Order: sequence, then structure tokens, then C-alpha cells
Amino acid sequence: KAGVTQTPRYLIKTRGQQVTLSCSPISGHRSVSWYQQTPGQGLQFLFEYFSETQRNKGNFPGRFSGRQFSNSRSEMNVSTLELGDSALYLCASTYGSGANVLTFGAGSRLTVL
Amino acid sequence: DQQVKQNSPSLSVQEGRISILNCDYTNSMFDYFLWYKKYPAEGPTFLISISSIKDKNEDGRFTVFLNKSAKHLSLHIVPSQPGDSAVYFCAAREVVSSGTYKYIFGTGTRLKVLA
Repeated sequence: KAGVTQTPRYLIKTRGQQVTLSCSPISGHRSVSWYQQTPGQGLQFLFEYFSETQRNKGNFPGRFSGRQFSNSRSEMNVSTLELGDSALYLCASTYGSGANVLTFGAGSRLTVL
Repeated sequence: DQQVKQNSPSLSVQEGRISILNCDYTNSMFDYFLWYKKYPAEGPTFLISISSIKDKNEDGRFTVFLNKSAKHLSLHIVPSQPGDSAVYFCAAREVVSSGTYKYIFGTGTRLKVLA
């Protein structure tokens, strides 16, 4: 059974640009969550999607957005990149709303210059 | 405001000894707690969990203790092995609405097991 797949694994952007990250959840999983990991801040919750609907949102500015497709694959977009957006972006999937365990992908490492 | 806190950024333990990782939380409505382990260049992997109605859960070398009155949980690893060297994240599940949850993570503790 394939795990959670995130692409790209590494990318470098410059300030002001925008970026799109992709996440393919485990087959059958309908919930996808996104987290930002930075040194000293741990994993900060960005948003969660379930059946193509955003159910939860963390405390991030509107430059951070996401969506989920009918096949449960999800994308997140960051517009007008800032240096502080440099981080590891992690995607996690679960079967449904009552599931207790998040299964994470390896992450997308974004560097903003 | 950090609802889940891991106050020790790092911990070094000798191989074979016990590792104790601590986590404090502020929200008494958290209903489930989890520990994740993360190696460099990999995503976090689930280690062990505990429901808020329990005070202990054990899985092999790993035991999680929950003290609800103190809003504190700890992960014990006995005996510690060099392969346990990783960053450990504590997480708590918050009920947002009926059937909808949010997971709050701590900042992590880097464990180094010395051979």
C-alpha cells in the first residue's frame, strides 16, 4: 500500500513568487491536512480538507490556500512568498474524521531566497 | 499561544538506559494524545497514543503516561537504542465540532542515544 506522496521534495523560490505543493494521500483516505514545520516552532497546522471541503483552518495569512480534488489529492498554494515561508511543508492523511492517527508524507522543503 | 509544549529541545541518553520525554498541555478538552518520531528527511511516523480516559499505554519498549490533573504526559523508552535517536513530537487532538478534529503539535524534543 503506497504511503502519502508529496511533490516536489525540494524547491527554491524567490520572494514574491508563488508555489504549489502537491499531496497524494493513502488510497482510501479522504482527509488531508497540511502542516508547516520550522525550527523552534514545531508543526503548525495550516488546514484540513475532507471530501473536497476545507473543514479546519489554522492561523496563517490568506496567502496560504489549498484545495482537494475528487480523488482526495490535495494541493496547497503560497502566493507572494516571503523569506519566513521557508519551511518543510508536511501533508498527512487519515481515513475519516474519527481516525486517530495521521500518516505523514516526507514533506516538501521550500527555500525562499 | 502554544497549547502543547515540549520544554526540552534536546535530550541525550546512554544506550540501554531509560529515555523520558515530557509534554505539557493547557487545553483540558483534548481527548487524545499521540507521539510521533521524525528522522531527518522523512515525515513524522506514529509511535504510540493514549486516550484521555486512560493514564497509561504500553507498546513494547514505549510507554506513554498521562496525568490529566497536571496536564502532563510523558513518553518512556526502555531500553533506549541508538536507532531511537530522532526528533519526538507530542500531539493532542482537539474536538472542533461533531466529527471534526484538529491536531496540535509541540515543538519537538531531539533525542540522542549514545552508544
